[in-house]
Amino acid sequence: GAVVSQHPSRVICKSGTSVKIECRSLDFQATTMFWYRQFPKKSLMLMATSNEGSKATYEQGVEKDKFLINHASLTLSTLTVTSAHPEDSSFYICSARDLAGGPSYNEQFFGPGTRLTVL
Amino acid sequence: LAKTTQPISMDSYEGQEVNITCSHNNIATNDYITWYQQFPSQGPRFIIQGYKTKVTNEVASLFIPADRKSSTLSLPRVSLSDTAVYYCLVGDVRDDKIIFGKGTRLHILP
Repeated sequence: GAVVSQHPSRVICKSGTSVKIECRSLDFQATTMFWYRQFPKKSLMLMATSNEGSKATYEQGVEKDKFLINHASLTLSTLTVTSAHPEDSSFYICSARDLAGGPSYNEQFFGPGTRLTVL
Repeated sequence: LAKTTQPISMDSYEGQEVNITCSHNNIATNDYITWYQQFPSQGPRFIIQGYKTKVTNEVASLFIPADRKSSTLSLPRVSLSDTAVYYCLVGDVRDDKIIFGKGTRLHILP
């Protein structure tokens, strides 16, 4: 199946700094990627839809100026957590759908996640 | 997006068949039923998808009754490595985004 990678897998930063997380589709192209966050023992929460070549679409309650998303190519989307604070500590996961489609409708391929810890 | 209800958690033993049922009473005509699996500290993984009746692949089977108001994911002869959270999702395949419910935390015991 299609592969989505994320980098870094784990990051620890100081409060007030910014952190960039990359999401890449390794063997397929994706005009749309999605960013989720997940707190311990909780479900995934959709944060935003990343659109190649245009602005991201944020879910209600997600601060677009705090979580900057850039989707500059068909294989790369980045999420930057600006001025991170301890409450931003979470597991961030991206996903993408293969433009070429597949045997299943709307199947999405998820990255392995990035564990962010803000001290 | 149709709302789904599934058990919060389930326990089973190695070698048993596990069935996880999901209710989706307001499923729409264009909606498909999709199940994802998530291991701790990993992204979810697609397991199976169906529209009606029965679908089987190398990992699981999905049973969907005629009224489509529920579905059952069946995992044959589970092992310890099947311990994970299983999410039932119902939505129109034309929708790009996926909204996750609470999922079912399955714990396989030796």
